[in-house]
Amino acid sequence: SQQGEEDPQALSIQEGENATMNCSYKTSINNLQWYRQNSGRGLVHLILIRSNEREKHSGRLRVTLDTSKKSSSLLITASRAADTASYFCATERSGGGADGLTFGKGTHLIIQP
Amino acid sequence: DAEITQSPRHKITETGRQVTLACHQTWNHNNMFWYRQDLGHGLRLIHYSYGVQDTNKGEVSDGYSVSRSNTEDLPLTLESAASSQTSVYFCASSRGQGATYEQYFGPGTRLTVT
Repeated sequence: SQQGEEDPQALSIQEGENATMNCSYKTSINNLQWYRQNSGRGLVHLILIRSNEREKHSGRLRVTLDTSKKSSSLLITASRAADTASYFCATERSGGGADGLTFGKGTHLIIQP
Repeated sequence: DAEITQSPRHKITETGRQVTLACHQTWNHNNMFWYRQDLGHGLRLIHYSYGVQDTNKGEVSDGYSVSRSNTEDLPLTLESAASSQTSVYFCASSRGQGATYEQYFGPGTRLTVT
């Protein structure tokens, strides 16, 4: 069963604006990852945040993690047309993380030129 | 550069046929995974392997099998293809177990069962 769920399912913004996507999960985690998938391609890892971290940055990406609310957010600043993609959060599967990752259904982000 | 490849990229087969999807990685990763991606379901884990001769069932393993005879390859076999197995299949590998390690994904195989 899926651990993480992204919100919103779809998001359309103008180029240059910031995009925020959220992920909620059900059980305690040690780590949470975000991935990007361009149309017709495989997933690409963006960033990993550990349960003892509250915020992490990578270029134009900012990820936050609130373990008390079991939620994470991905912020993309100064969006570009190339950011158009689906974004997934991933956590360890229930049972302690020995069995790989479980992915949410994704947020489809469209950047309008 | 290290990579993970899948073949074929597109496949059309008939109901009841056996189909094998190939996955090959040159990362020298012990851990390999197969997922399927369907609209409305996201990615679901089919099978995974933590090393040679090791295979494990994921959440949607019925009708699928894998074998791991070397580090580089994890072929996925559909024993008797069904229309419900029409999907996009992704192979992935990682350096370690659990969510501490990122997974590297192949480009996917689009399978249509008619």
